Amino acid sequence: AQSVTQPDIHITVSEGASLELRCNYSYGATPYLFWYVQSPGQGLQLLLKYFSGDTLVQGIKGFEAEFKRSQSSFNLRKPSVHWSDAAEYFCAVDFKSLMRFGAGTRLTVKP
Amino acid sequence: DGGITQSPKYLFRKEGQNVTLSCEQNLNHDAMYWYRQDPGQGLRLIYYSQIVNDFQKGDIAEGYSVSREKKESFPLTVTSAQKNPTAFYLCASSSSSHLGNTEAFFGQGTRLTVV
Repeated sequence: AQSVTQPDIHITVSEGASLELRCNYSYGATPYLFWYVQSPGQGLQLLLKYFSGDTLVQGIKGFEAEFKRSQSSFNLRKPSVHWSDAAEYFCAVDFKSLMRFGAGTRLTVKP
Repeated sequence: DGGITQSPKYLFRKEGQNVTLSCEQNLNHDAMYWYRQDPGQGLRLIYYSQIVNDFQKGDIAEGYSVSREKKESFPLTVTSAQKNPTAFYLCASSSSSHLGNTEAFFGQGTRLTVV
């Protein structure tokens, strides 16, 4: 079955530490891939996207993600987390004009 | 400014009532979506429309209905048949995949509460 999986429901990191959020997808072909961020009670904001080409994509707010075809993964990374990065993060795929989302990973940042 | 607007931000419904959530976009996007968000479950697709006058059921369409009479508008009706409608509802729009750039733009959401 087609799916998007974010295995970590909640992650806590210290401010200044590095971050990696995991995302795996299960589709017959490579879909378009996205990471979104959501603050409480708000809509979603796009962090970055992958359509084709360079497998390491840069996004806003210092985030980057790497597409690995062999692992069907699209993990989000940030070298140094800021307190303002605390939010919920969603991995998403667009396959044949249909957007689907993972369950989300809630990020808590410790001072 | 281009964007996507949902209204109202908060909505209260009595048991047995139908309510309609509004979603309007001025981005000239062909595709529009409705998602339901519950804690710990991410965004679940209710309905989507890839072109005017056409729409498809998503993963949890039961108890909901939509229309797409205009490109800019995609209202969602939560009917009395929806047994557990209390949730946060998000509307989104995007251009079609065949055009390449399919980034989805989201509204600010409507929080529906059954009282």
